[in-house]
This record gives sequence, C-alpha cells and structure tokens, in this order.
Amino acid sequence: AQKITQTQPGMFVQEKEAVTLDCTYDTSDQSYGLFWYKQPSSGEMIFLIYQGSYDEQNATEGRYSLNFQKARKSANLVISASQLGDSAMYFCAMRETDSWGKFQFGAGTQVVVTP
Amino acid sequence: DGGITQSPKYLFRKEGQNVTLSCEQNLNHDAMYWYRQDPGQGLRLIYYSQIVNDFQKGDIAEGYSVSREKKESFPLTVTSAQKNPTAFYLCASTWQGGNTEAFFGQGTRLTVV
Repeated sequence: AQKITQTQPGMFVQEKEAVTLDCTYDTSDQSYGLFWYKQPSSGEMIFLIYQGSYDEQNATEGRYSLNFQKARKSANLVISASQLGDSAMYFCAMRETDSWGKFQFGAGTQVVVTP
Repeated sequence: DGGITQSPKYLFRKEGQNVTLSCEQNLNHDAMYWYRQDPGQGLRLIYYSQIVNDFQKGDIAEGYSVSREKKESFPLTVTSAQKNPTAFYLCASTWQGGNTEAFFGQGTRLTVV
C-alpha cells in the first residue's frame, strides 16, 4: 500500500511567488519522521527539511517551511519567494521508527519556476 | 570529507549479465539503502540494511541481491533475473533512529544494451 502520496505531478510557479507542495502519509506508528528532498536534473538528492511526529512547531529552514497537520496526516512543503534555481523534482519521504527505519518516498512533484 | 560514494556513474550491461553497483560511505552510518528510480518517477526501495551482515528486502527486491560485510559498504548486484534493469540507482545511508535524514550518493545510471 502506498504510504506517501503526492497528488501533484507537476506545477508551474512564477518567480518570487510562493508554492505549496502537497504530501499525505499513512502510518499507524506514533513515532516517525517526515522529510522533503529536492532532486535537480543532475539527479542528486538534496535534503531540505525535517519534521518529527512529536514536534509541535512547524519546521522551517530558510525559504522552506513544512505545514504539518498531524490529525490529517499531511506534511505540505511551502517554498516562499521562488527562484529559478528551485526548478526541480521534490520528494516527500517518511521514516517509521517501528519498521526497521525504512525510508519511503512519494512519487514526487515536478516544479518549474518561470520568470 | 565525509560522504557517500557510488560507482560507476554510468554502467552498461548486456542482456543476461550480472553487474554490481558499488556504494561506500565514511559517515559511520549504521543504515544503508538502495533505491531504483525510473524516469519521472519516485524512488522505490530495493534493499536496506540496519547492521553489518543483515539486510531486508524492500518493495522491489526481485532480481537484485546485496551484501553487507562491512559497515562502510553495501554493494548491489543486478542479476540477469531482473527483466527491466535500465534505471537510475541511488544509494543512501543514515544513522539509526527516525529523526535523521538520509544522505545520498550521486547515483548510477544503468543501461541495458
């Protein structure tokens, strides 16, 4: 069963605008971590932001913030003030403590930033 | 510098051949992972290992094999039983525990010729 769902296959966003990438997850664990990664066309995976299941505050890292709604099991990524260099594939991932620490990824969202 | 290294970057395989992809890390991480990525798709877990001499199948283990004889190394063999091996392969590592991100190698692009 799919544990991480990213429903937006692709998005266009204008430079300097904010964009929200959706991510919902499925787990029965109480303890888990949620992660977002960026993959440019070069193929490398760049870690962006982390949210723990017990964290009460939403995580922020520079222009990235994570909108964590635990009851809805959603962990949306918000990129503020988009830049051309933000054009990439974005993946949401989850690591469950009780499943041998597996990292599982969503299908990804392709973001294209236009001038 | 600490990091995770995959080699080779590009690999070509003939039909019926086994090939081995290398993954080495000097981060002292316990856990290591192999993922397969097809064009425009997400990452699918092939195998993962939490400790030396132990590993578990992921979602798409058929046609692949791994070993974990050393903490630093987690090679992946793509066997002839894997019917459609052309893909981008990513290796990752991390510490035990759920609150640390995975570090990735640069990937190996495997093509069947």
